[in-house]
Amino acid sequence: EIVLTQSPGTLSLSPGERATLSCRASQSVSSSYLAWYQQKPGQAPRLLIYGASSRATGIPDRFSGSGSGTDFTLTISRLEPEDFAVYYCQQYGSSPWKTFGQGTKVEIK
Amino acid sequence: QVQLVQSGAEVKKPGASVKVSCKASGYTFTSYGISWVRQAPGQGLEWMGWISAYNGNTNYAQKLQGRVTMTTDTSTSTAYMELRSLRSDDTAVYYCARDGGSYSNWGQGTLVTVSS
Repeated sequence: EIVLTQSPGTLSLSPGERATLSCRASQSVSSSYLAWYQQKPGQAPRLLIYGASSRATGIPDRFSGSGSGTDFTLTISRLEPEDFAVYYCQQYGSSPWKTFGQGTKVEIK
Repeated sequence: QVQLVQSGAEVKKPGASVKVSCKASGYTFTSYGISWVRQAPGQGLEWMGWISAYNGNTNYAQKLQGRVTMTTDTSTSTAYMELRSLRSDDTAVYYCARDGGSYSNWGQGTLVTVSS
């Protein structure tokens, strides 16, 4: 089973700042099958990025994903008030076993 | 548009079973799998398993093997997740998701509370 480790656990930033979230895999994620989700309190997760770098439908271009192999990054170029949430990475390369990272909370500083 | 609508909240006693439904619409049900993900209070997302809506093949998380069963009814485009021998640490919100690799669509979640 591939274990995903996200860092940091919490990121304290102000609106307008840049956020950089990391997701590291215990072994290589095949074909960059890595996704990022955003979750707000009381809501289901929302897909942001799939295939490590492709934005899902309707996702603003301030969200970008990069990386390959074992190291992946989600970048939010300029934080908007609605971006403060918890973010999860997920690998789906070793389908059908699709593990999640433990999450990074982006909070208002 | 794609929608996944789940059944309502449940309260169960330890040792009981629960069956959560997930009704899909807006796409060809048999063209995608359905995955189930749960989230304990204040915790992260935990992948539970997957079922092919095409042929019913399943894969379950090792820690739930023997207690979970996922099924589908293609006539109603509905997926089901049954969890048996419930324990207090099964208290969580249970989500279904359309599985096209990543999860582009999610149900609204079903809160299952296990309490004596």
